[in-house]
Amino acid sequence: AQSVAQPEDQVNVAEGNPLTVKCTYSVSGNPYLFWYVQYPNRGLQFLLKYITGDNLVKGSYGFEAEFNKSQTSFHLKKPSALVSDSALYFCAVRDPYSGAGSYQLTFGKGTKLSVIP
Amino acid sequence: NAGVTQTPKFQVLKTGQSMTLQCAQDMNHEYMSWYRQDPGMGLRLIHYSVGAGITDQGEVPNGYNVSRSTTEDFPLRLLSAAPSQTSVYFCASSSWTGQTNTGELFFGEGSRLTVL
Repeated sequence: AQSVAQPEDQVNVAEGNPLTVKCTYSVSGNPYLFWYVQYPNRGLQFLLKYITGDNLVKGSYGFEAEFNKSQTSFHLKKPSALVSDSALYFCAVRDPYSGAGSYQLTFGKGTKLSVIP
Repeated sequence: NAGVTQTPKFQVLKTGQSMTLQCAQDMNHEYMSWYRQDPGMGLRLIHYSVGAGITDQGEVPNGYNVSRSTTEDFPLRLLSAAPSQTSVYFCASSSWTGQTNTGELFFGEGSRLTVL
């Protein structure tokens, strides 16, 4: 079975500082990995994904994430945080070769990011 | 540019009542799904569909029914609402090219359901 862990319920960072939101995953094969962001009272919005290739992927709003197969991690990063980045962030994983589960996207519990002015 | 549209946005039910949450997408996506979001639990998959006439269960299907008669619509039915079904429900869709599909999900704005 596939699973995702986001070890931090909340991350606080000062505006202008770099930010990292952590994600680790567990799948039996090669994963498809995604990051989504949710602003208050809104649906989730896609940020970026890793399917194959370069381990560093770039996405929307200046975010990037690094895929590390040996550590089974896919941490979300941004060089300089903005107050407007404050939101709930979800990591998600799919194992495309896991039979019935290959159709399912499994989400982590979410990490609340607060950027302090 | 509607994307994924969910109705209603808010609903209050009494225990035992039934209702249908509507979901429609205008992107010609084959894959559609329903998630529920509860505090501290992230999003959990209820049901999904990979095309008209094809549905399957997700992680938490009990108490919910779905059908997919058209590509555009994927309603979620609660037959006899229970307080444990108080949650925020999200419909999401994706283009689908088969098992190795790499498409990201597009989410609706959510439907907040309270069961008293």
